[in-house]
Amino acid sequence: QKEVEQNSGPLSVPEGAIASLNCTYSDRGSQSFFWYRQYSGKSPELIMFIYSNGDKEDGRFTAQLNKASQYVSLLIRDSQPSDSATYLCAVIYDNAGNMLTFGGGTRLMVKP
Amino acid sequence: ETGVTQSPTHLIKTRGQQVTLRCSSQSGHNTVSWYQQALGQGPQFIFQYYREEENGRGNFPPRFSGLQFPNYSSELNVNALELDDSALYLCASSLSASRNEQFFGPGTRLTVL
Repeated sequence: QKEVEQNSGPLSVPEGAIASLNCTYSDRGSQSFFWYRQYSGKSPELIMFIYSNGDKEDGRFTAQLNKASQYVSLLIRDSQPSDSATYLCAVIYDNAGNMLTFGGGTRLMVKP
Repeated sequence: ETGVTQSPTHLIKTRGQQVTLRCSSQSGHNTVSWYQQALGQGPQFIFQYYREEENGRGNFPPRFSGLQFPNYSSELNVNALELDDSALYLCASSLSASRNEQFFGPGTRLTVL
């Protein structure tokens, strides 16, 4: 069974610090990787996607992908209290069409 | 540009009843996927529709069914509701079945009593 694993947290960081969120996946035959942010009671919001090994930066967010280690991470620089949310990692595996397989999410708390 | 919309926002049903949830895809998107999110868990894929045809299905029983219309809006139907069907139902649209970025609507919160 193809799985996506995340530490449920909560991960607590002080305001202004770098938050590092991690995700591992079970199958090397994976092609696409996504990070969604979900505020309590709301739906997931796409914040980053990455398809190739290496880093991808967008504003305060950096996604890092290491296919050899089956590992994808999200760094949030200059964390703000408004970044407090659950972050969901999702993977599209080969031969899985366009189906997103989600991890359980990591709850991030940014303390002022 | 209009985002993904879903209706209703909340719904309360009793066990054994049937329910229909609706979704309008983002402007220009022809692919709609449905997910179920139980409390405290990540979303689980139910199925996807592309150009009015089912284009993939997750591990859900046949009492979960769907439709896509010519304007790319979609419905999710659930028959013989069970208590475990209580969840947030999410619709996501994408530009096409080959474009992987999926954008979620606000969801429908279903409670089965």
